[in-house]
Amino acid sequence: GENVEQHPSTLSVQEGDSAVIKCTYSDSASNYFPWYKQELGKRPQLIIDIRSNVGEKKDQRIAVTLNKTAKHFSLHITETQPEDSAVYFCAAAYAGGTSYGKLTFGQGTILTVHP
Amino acid sequence: KAGVTQTPRYLIKTRGQQVTLSCSPISGHRSVSWYQQTPGQGLQFLFEYFSETQRNKGNFPGRFSGRQFSNSRSEMNVSTLELGDSALYLCASSLEVAGVDEQFFGPGTRLTVL
Repeated sequence: GENVEQHPSTLSVQEGDSAVIKCTYSDSASNYFPWYKQELGKRPQLIIDIRSNVGEKKDQRIAVTLNKTAKHFSLHITETQPEDSAVYFCAAAYAGGTSYGKLTFGQGTILTVHP
Repeated sequence: KAGVTQTPRYLIKTRGQQVTLSCSPISGHRSVSWYQQTPGQGLQFLFEYFSETQRNKGNFPGRFSGRQFSNSRSEMNVSTLELGDSALYLCASSLEVAGVDEQFFGPGTRLTVL
């Protein structure tokens, strides 16, 4: 089955710096890659996702890049703010097949943005 | 539109008991997935239901089961609770008809097994 590795496990940056979180996946059939942000005591919330027919997607300060050949994808947050502090999870899935509803998650990255 | 809701939010049970958790998806969403979140294992997929049918199942023992009703509300049941079942149980709903689509999570049910 699919396996997703996420690095780093913790990331500390100063406000205004950029943050990059990387994930690798094992199943070349995976074609849907969402990123979730989970603040302490709250539900995971989708912040951006990408499908394998594109290499990059941006939404304001957040971007995701995908390298299908190397089977890795990354989350980039620019101009970080203290409210970006949270746990970030990457995930991978095969959309269009029989892996109904199944997201395979990375272990998470604790991002801390210092004012 | 109201988001995904889960009840109860907190539960304390003892070993050997059973528990039922409930999830109400976003209106119009017919797919409900369940996940277990623990500090050690992270987020792990339990199962997915669509139109009252289980379409996919993760690698959990048979003590974990679920069902979905005609209004898309879903329940999961854990029988013969073990200490290791202590976790945050999250459900997520989506519009998906086939495969995987954007999933919206509920707030979770925090289960503590003593």
